[in-house]
Amino acid sequence: DQQVKQNSPSLSVQEGRISILNCDYTNSMFDYFLWYKKYPAEGPTFLISISSIKDKNEDGRFTVFLNKSAKHLSLHIVSSQPGDSAVYFCAASADYNQGGKLIFGQGTELSVKP
Amino acid sequence: NAGVMQNPRHLVRRRGQEARLRCSPMKGHSHVYWYRQLPEEGLKFMVYLQKENIIDESGMPKERFSAEFPKEGPSILRIQQVVRGDSAAYFCASSLYRGETEAFFGQGTRLTVV
Repeated sequence: DQQVKQNSPSLSVQEGRISILNCDYTNSMFDYFLWYKKYPAEGPTFLISISSIKDKNEDGRFTVFLNKSAKHLSLHIVSSQPGDSAVYFCAASADYNQGGKLIFGQGTELSVKP
Repeated sequence: NAGVMQNPRHLVRRRGQEARLRCSPMKGHSHVYWYRQLPEEGLKFMVYLQKENIIDESGMPKERFSAEFPKEGPSILRIQQVVRGDSAAYFCASSLYRGETEAFFGQGTRLTVV
């Protein structure tokens, strides 16, 4: 039962353009969502998060949008750079303030071409 | 301030042997999470521990797997009588508080069972 889904295994974007990564979820009890970035042979690195009471959170070039009615969130990366090339995971938690576990999607591999 | 340290980075075991994976959380962190990533999949939660306590082990296989986080020393994930299907990357994450906004991940241990 895949509660968090990233339906695009890969995405290719030209340098300088916007990258949009999508994530869908099925569990309406999720109250916190996070995006992680992962390079090969390294652990995931936290990027940005959003609480279910918000619909947008922005941090520099990264913006996360949450559409609760559609159970969908997206990560927008403006001015994409080759260094942004990595696997991006979205994750969700149903009880985050109590230390709830994270449920991860399968990941989307972003490739930013010069 | 060193990050989350996992060792070994690579571990090869023959079927039937035991695997011990270690995780030293960031300094001052008392919450540890273990995740497993199978090939071509996202990270799957295994267990959440506080010092000397298992808080949530809902993702741990019922047999052969155990985890501990003693008062002194690293957290240990132990896999007895390993099988080929245990081959995966195992990641540890730590946080300062329960339900902290983000958890910091280690670089992972890649277990190969031959």
